[in-house]
Amino acid sequence: DGGITQSPKYLFRKEGQNVTLSCEQNLNHDAMYWYRQDPGQGLRLIYYSQIVNDFQKGDIAEGYSVSREKKESFPLTVTSAQKNPTAFYLCASSQTRTALNTEAFFGQGTRLTVV
Amino acid sequence: RKEVEQDPGPFNVPEGATVAFNCTYSNSASQSFFWYRQDCRKEPKLLMSVYSSGNEDGRFTAQLNRASQYISLLIRDSKLSDSATYLCVVPERNTGRRALTFGSGTRLQVQP
Repeated sequence: DGGITQSPKYLFRKEGQNVTLSCEQNLNHDAMYWYRQDPGQGLRLIYYSQIVNDFQKGDIAEGYSVSREKKESFPLTVTSAQKNPTAFYLCASSQTRTALNTEAFFGQGTRLTVV
Repeated sequence: RKEVEQDPGPFNVPEGATVAFNCTYSNSASQSFFWYRQDCRKEPKLLMSVYSSGNEDGRFTAQLNRASQYISLLIRDSKLSDSATYLCVVPERNTGRRALTFGSGTRLQVQP
């Protein structure tokens, strides 16, 4: 079954802790993305990667870090520098083409809560 | 002007009604567009792609107006199960980054 898997589904973090959200895809997609969604809001881009060993900041990268050591994996670390990390985090992947971007496929999301 | 703008709604319509949402975009170089559906507390899922003037899939029709830079989504014969948030997505082009920009979504509530 091809798809994109995020884990865990729910995550609780104490203030001052770093936590890492996992995202794995077996779709052979080049591009991967991390979005954050707050209640009643749209998706905001945190980081994205178009190719292994390369990634770019999105609109709200402060307090987050990523790595792309393998094509299949794009983990997101929420650091203690992120002041308001409670949100729904969505990972996505897409197969980029020369002329057109293709649709993105999403994981089921990780709901992070600071306690 | 935001890159992608949508009316947040909510649109409250009775079952069987026809409803339409618009999405305006600022980057005139954009060539492909997507409508996603997101249910409450779930991930977005692709509803329709729009690569030329429009696309139709059953009760759903997406249309593109390049001159006015908007895409629309028309839902005919609304069902209770159509209640969701509909997100407009525009791939970024000529901005120096290759990413997908999401509108904030339009919420639809179909009532019995």
